[in-house]
Amino acid sequence: NAGVTQTPKFQVLKTGQSMTLQCAQDMNHNSMYWYRQDPGMGLRLIYYSASEGTTDKGEVPNGYNVSRLNKREFSLRLESAAPSQTSVYFCASSEGAGGNQPQHFGDGTRLSIL
Amino acid sequence: SQQGEEDPQALSIQEGENATMNCSYKTSINNLQWYRQNSGRGLVHLILIRSNEREKHSGRLRVTLDTSKKSSSLLITASRAADTASYFCATGKSGGYNKLIFGAGTRLAVHP
Repeated sequence: NAGVTQTPKFQVLKTGQSMTLQCAQDMNHNSMYWYRQDPGMGLRLIYYSASEGTTDKGEVPNGYNVSRLNKREFSLRLESAAPSQTSVYFCASSEGAGGNQPQHFGDGTRLSIL
Repeated sequence: SQQGEEDPQALSIQEGENATMNCSYKTSINNLQWYRQNSGRGLVHLILIRSNEREKHSGRLRVTLDTSKKSSSLLITASRAADTASYFCATGKSGGYNKLIFGAGTRLAVHP
């Protein structure tokens, strides 16, 4: 069982470059999330998708866009990367409403912006 | 903004000892969850306790919830070196879509 798969695992970008982080889940979950994790800060929600076809902003959405491509896939795009976006990015999924059920996480994408 | 705050920030114990981590939060919640994160990996769900529950067990894990004090604790009994990880509490707030809000975590080191 793959669970939640994130690609790539590591990426180095230059300031101003763009890239898309990919996430796919094989658990037939309705809800998907993108978080960033910074030292000493815990996880902060960037965007979430409660169900296929819907997306909503989380706590720190500025500088990011998302696409819920289908029920399985939820991508995160950085249009013009900034050093402040250096972080570890986690994708997660849950069967139903995000705060009511366990979330399943991928192993993260470690992103450095130079 | 962080809803849950764990205490202590770091904990170092010997194998076989018990480890207790605490979580405090600020607003009314629907449920509280505990997650473990091994170095370089994603978070793994451990236990979910609902606001109308006071205690829950899973193997060597015991979670308590005191809604009057807005606090929870995670007890790991008879710890093992493999328990070395960061532990996070996360709260689902009452009302709305109920997004999870994570604390900054407790780093647990269990020494053989």
